[in-house]
Amino acid sequence: QKEVEQDPGPLSVPEGAIVSLNCTYSNSAFQYFMWYRQYSRKGPELLMYTYSSGNKEDGRFTAQVDKSSKYISLFIRDSQPSDSATYLCAMGDYNQGGKLIFGQGTELSVKP
Amino acid sequence: EADIYQTPRYLVIGTGKKITLECSQTMGHDKMYWYQQDPGMELHLIHYSYGVNSTEKGDLSSESTVSRIRTEHFPLTLESARPSHTSQYLCASTPRAGTGGIYNEQFFGPGTRLTVL
Repeated sequence: QKEVEQDPGPLSVPEGAIVSLNCTYSNSAFQYFMWYRQYSRKGPELLMYTYSSGNKEDGRFTAQVDKSSKYISLFIRDSQPSDSATYLCAMGDYNQGGKLIFGQGTELSVKP
Repeated sequence: EADIYQTPRYLVIGTGKKITLECSQTMGHDKMYWYQQDPGMELHLIHYSYGVNSTEKGDLSSESTVSRIRTEHFPLTLESARPSHTSQYLCASTPRAGTGGIYNEQFFGPGTRLTVL
């Protein structure tokens, strides 16, 4: 069983839609959670970071963590064509020296 | 934009060739990583380094080797490339904890797309 599971998609939505991206994990030792965005032919870049259960909002993006269910989500409101990218969840444990475990990534396409 | 560079961006070579993928960062980060990325698959950590003269194998078995002689440079070498090595290779770095910024934010290079025929 993979430590982190993420639906690889692809996911196609119309512009303005609300997008929900999700990851589940099995290792209860994970203490911090990240969402990276990767545009085509580019490396991933950090989009959201959180280390506690609950919601964290940044503009149109909301990261949600439910540690009791081992479930994290990224919501994108009013999605734009520029949001078209692959979104990767990642998580880590402070005792693992900085190693991150990544999900498979979800490919998102926002159609104008 | 992160100051981490990878060369070449694209490489097509024949089986049996020796290749070196270059990765350099100008941020003075201590930790550096190499990942392998295939479509629909998670990033697999193949090597990492916590500083000069420190290298470790990652979770994914790899026939590649790395070196860390200088802080800014973390090259990956394949002694004899095979078609199974065809993949996207991503290099990343992160600063030492306590130096500011988000804990363990990894800054990625643009990747090298390797095709072995």
